[in-house]
Amino acid sequence: GAGVSQSPSNKVTEKGKDVELRCDPISGHTALYWYRQRLGQGLEFLIYFQGNSAPDKSGLPSDRFSAERTGESVSTLTIQRTQQEDSAVYLCASSLGFVTGSSPYNEQFFGPGTRLTVL
Amino acid sequence: GQQVMQIPQYQHVQEGEDFTTYCNSSTTLSNIQWYKQRPGGHPVFLIQLVKSGEVKKQKRLTFQFGEAKKNSSLHITATQTTDVGTYFCAGPIYGNKLVFGAGTILRVKS
Repeated sequence: GAGVSQSPSNKVTEKGKDVELRCDPISGHTALYWYRQRLGQGLEFLIYFQGNSAPDKSGLPSDRFSAERTGESVSTLTIQRTQQEDSAVYLCASSLGFVTGSSPYNEQFFGPGTRLTVL
Repeated sequence: GQQVMQIPQYQHVQEGEDFTTYCNSSTTLSNIQWYKQRPGGHPVFLIQLVKSGEVKKQKRLTFQFGEAKKNSSLHITATQTTDVGTYFCAGPIYGNKLVFGAGTILRVKS
């Protein structure tokens, strides 16, 4: 596709339920990131995938959060036993290369996000 | 704690006035990126700075990277209502993890 897509765009769930969020990165982008953005706040790093390397999970806030990516394609972020504090916009981004260094391919392309509301 | 600090948190200017947001890192950065997020939208990449002391311009926007590669600024000359949004700086702090500043919210009064 032309850009990063995410689904669903909105998700309302009840406390305690599991949710699965999907991200389709730009074709050919080896790096994929998940961020969480609470209302009026900045971006909180969650997890990073780069090719077939082990993902960087250092930002996941608890073991209720997990993410998978198949090769260099779709990624899913799963939140188990959702809590009200999980309510936020979950943003996915992809890039051609690493974020370090001087490569011109560091730019991150963001999807429109999934707005999660936990009642 | 947060390794990329951004100030001010919020600025409300009259249309035509200038605006500056500042970004400071606790560590030396290999690069710094700037993003703009319009209200209700998602972050959009503006620019990447790589070299010590680098200055880049995009029309009314001027971006600077400090000599020590620990700080950066974004200056907008003669703001317009289309400049409204939140401006984020971001730098690679640990490996390939891009750490974002908290952002500066810009409101422009016409």
